[in-house]
Amino acid sequence: AQTVTQSQPEMSVQEAETVTLSCTYDTSENNYYLFWYKQPPSRQMILVIRQEAYKQQNATENRFSVNFQKAAKSFSLKISDSQLGDTAMYFCAFSNSGNTPLVFGKGTRLSVIA
Amino acid sequence: AAGVIQSPRHLIKEKRETATLKCYPIPRHDTVYWYQQGPGQDPQFLISFYEKMQSDKGSIPDRFSAQQFSDYHSELNMSSLELGDSALYFCASSFQGGYYGYTFGSGTRLTVV
Repeated sequence: AQTVTQSQPEMSVQEAETVTLSCTYDTSENNYYLFWYKQPPSRQMILVIRQEAYKQQNATENRFSVNFQKAAKSFSLKISDSQLGDTAMYFCAFSNSGNTPLVFGKGTRLSVIA
Repeated sequence: AAGVIQSPRHLIKEKRETATLKCYPIPRHDTVYWYQQGPGQDPQFLISFYEKMQSDKGSIPDRFSAQQFSDYHSELNMSSLELGDSALYFCASSFQGGYYGYTFGSGTRLTVV
């Protein structure tokens, strides 16, 4: 079974600074998808960024980018120019190809400090 | 754009009662997933349906059942409710799984008293 590990339960960052959230995963599959979801206090689950395992290029969405290291099974999220609205729980998630469910990590609670 | 719609948003039930949660996926999405998220925890997968057939099963208690109807909406039925069932229940839908990504509803917050 696939597992997702987030080793940082809590992190904090100063406004406008850069922060990196770590995620590792375990799978024997070669084709899969990785995601970062943001869950603010409203508890809504919001997709931040998505990476396809067969693509070597790291995904980027505005201030959010990932460092995908397939051999190391690592998928970290970098948030640049952190904003107060980035304060949330961040979940790393994995899915196999096909209509398979997402598997989530335990989450990292990020606080952006003014 | 249409999103995943869940109802009700909040639900309060007493122990041993029954609850029904509803989910309306994004049109043309072929798979619906149900998740349970306890306080301070990550979402746990319960069950999914692909084209109205059960496709995957996770840690869903025997007291819970679910189905997907001909109009593609799905319902999660929970019986003999326990205090530990208090959680946020998410529904998500997708088209071709991770290829296009998963979209989550706003969740139903169930409180069992």
